[in-house]
Amino acid sequence: GAGVSQTPSNKVTEKGKYVELRCDPISGHTALYWYRQSLGQGPEFLIYFQGTGAADDSGLPNDRFFAVRPEGSVSTLKIQRTERGDSAVYLCASSLNPRGMNTEAFFGQGTRLTVV
Amino acid sequence: KNQVEQSPQSLIILEGKNCTLQCNYTVSPFSNLRWYKQDTGRGPVSLTIMTFSENTKSNGRYTATLDADTKQSSLHITASQLSDSASYICVVSEVVSGGYNKLIFGAGTRLAVHP
Repeated sequence: GAGVSQTPSNKVTEKGKYVELRCDPISGHTALYWYRQSLGQGPEFLIYFQGTGAADDSGLPNDRFFAVRPEGSVSTLKIQRTERGDSAVYLCASSLNPRGMNTEAFFGQGTRLTVV
Repeated sequence: KNQVEQSPQSLIILEGKNCTLQCNYTVSPFSNLRWYKQDTGRGPVSLTIMTFSENTKSNGRYTATLDADTKQSSLHITASQLSDSASYICVVSEVVSGGYNKLIFGAGTRLAVHP
């Protein structure tokens, strides 16, 4: 596709439920990032994929959060036993060369997750 | 802890006026500094990218400056338009093990341009 696509755009779930958020990066981009943005704050890093592997998952807040990218393109962020504090906008970004000094990172529009 | 701090937190200006947004950072080692514009309900969109060797970069009415010695950057918006109303986020790239650029975001400055 022309840009990074995230689905769903909005998700409302009950506390304790399991959710999956999907990211379709720009075709050919090997690097994929997940960020979480709370209201009035800048995005916070969650996890970075280079190809199929999670090269840096240091931003995942706890073991309820997990992400996969089995074929090196589409990625799914999975949240188990959701809590109200998980409510935020989850942003995905992709880039062509994560080591490049001027490599551009392109963001999707985000998934707004609301846990009630 | 690596941090990116922005000021002001919010700003209201009249259409046609200029404004300057500030960013201070403590990220090290530093690869590059970016300014993003984020409209409400949208993902961030890049305005400028500067490496440590660049002092200024322009993109239309947006001009970013960087002083790598003092670890400060500014984004100057000239002749503001109503469509400039958005959050402007300063993002610094930290070089981490494995050599990839990890983006560290500031909290943003929320700009409102009024007619």
